[in-house]
Amino acid sequence: DTTVKQNPRYKLARVGKPVNLICSQTMNHDTMYWYQKKPNQAPKLLLFYYDKILNREADTFEKFQSSRPNNSFCSLYIGSAGLEYSAMYLCASSRDRGLNQDTQYFGPGTRLLVL
Amino acid sequence: GEQVEQLPSILRVQEGSSASINCTYENSASNYFPWYKQEPGENPKLIIDIRSNMERKQTQGLIVLLDKKAKRFSLHITDTQPGDSAMYFCAASANSGTYQRFGTGTKLQVVP
Repeated sequence: DTTVKQNPRYKLARVGKPVNLICSQTMNHDTMYWYQKKPNQAPKLLLFYYDKILNREADTFEKFQSSRPNNSFCSLYIGSAGLEYSAMYLCASSRDRGLNQDTQYFGPGTRLLVL
Repeated sequence: GEQVEQLPSILRVQEGSSASINCTYENSASNYFPWYKQEPGENPKLIIDIRSNMERKQTQGLIVLLDKKAKRFSLHITDTQPGDSAMYFCAASANSGTYQRFGTGTKLQVVP
């Protein structure tokens, strides 16, 4: 099973409220990623977990949090949503990191709309 | 030094003809170049990739070319079919980090 699951598929949030998005995979992949995708823009990497080590991109460092309580599960947390957070959020996982540059498998995405 | 440029943003071709999408990258350490196809309502799926030890790779109607000197790589779809209509993303990544930089995408429309 090469499926990456994301919940929910659609999320409506109010400005200033928290948002928690969930991703899971059962492939025993070492690395899990979160991307933000806006229309007509490239997917933007927000952060990734290699095993239990969280790596966050410098320009999104303070905007997004994440947790990975076990190998299969990874969440993306927005403490206080702003209008600019409206986007598609894609989760992906890969078996390994480093020299192999392994294939990333993407989930179906969560479409977040902040009002 | 991490940008990936992708052109064209929209590509309309006649069924049976070929389609080409081009990407350029800035990071000379990039050594892995995947291509993803995303159909409406679906997640991006890897369709082909190429590593820096190759200049050309071909599989099932897809050809990818890599020119490391020019920091350019391209996807060529031969004998396009309506089912090839989708969004296509290129990406580039380097051993120094696991993250991939994506291109902005190409919307391919194959018309009868």
